[in-house]
Amino acid sequence: KAGVTQTPRYLIKTRGQQVTLSCSPISGHRSVSWYQQTPGQGLQFLFEYFSETQRNKGNFPGRFSGRQFSNSRSEMNVSTLELGDSALYLCASSSLAYEQYFGPGTRLTVT
Amino acid sequence: KNEVEQSPQNLTAQEGEFITINCSYSVGISALHWLQQHPGGGIVSLFMLSSGKKKHGRLIATINIQEKHSSLHITASHPRDSAVYICAVAGGSGSRLTFGEGTQLTVNP
Repeated sequence: KAGVTQTPRYLIKTRGQQVTLSCSPISGHRSVSWYQQTPGQGLQFLFEYFSETQRNKGNFPGRFSGRQFSNSRSEMNVSTLELGDSALYLCASSSLAYEQYFGPGTRLTVT
Repeated sequence: KNEVEQSPQNLTAQEGEFITINCSYSVGISALHWLQQHPGGGIVSLFMLSSGKKKHGRLIATINIQEKHSSLHITASHPRDSAVYICAVAGGSGSRLTFGEGTQLTVNP
């Protein structure tokens, strides 16, 4: 089986812009979770989607949003980018057994 | 106090040494994960535990639910084991993870 893929791998944006990141889970996995990793805050949970529904949400402002499509692919969107949004964004897919498989991440730099 | 505490934060070992990384948590969990992150960012899931002990090659993970504590052991450490090891706990719904700060392991030849 192919692993979790994330696109793009690297991205540079300017403050105030918006960005959309994509995650394709392992075939058959219906749950996709998103995480943000920064040097200061470490890894933090953003949200989880299961069967096109947001099942869990972390403590992030409303500028962070996501969605999941019927093929389980997921996107996350960050609007009105701030310098502090510079981070590695990771997605992970899981089956009903809850073991999580992480993608390679998208490294976002906001200038 | 963080919900997930790891120790030590940094660990330097000589090749061949036995290594232990500890994780304590303060909330009820459905599972505990040990993750490995190499420079460049990619995260690999090493173990998912809800009780007892698991072994994979030179890696062993244990969990004590009553004491809310888990350990990751590496036997016969090797320089390729150098990475950040992260403990993460899953709450009731299973997929939402809360992470420890990670342990930076360096194994010197």
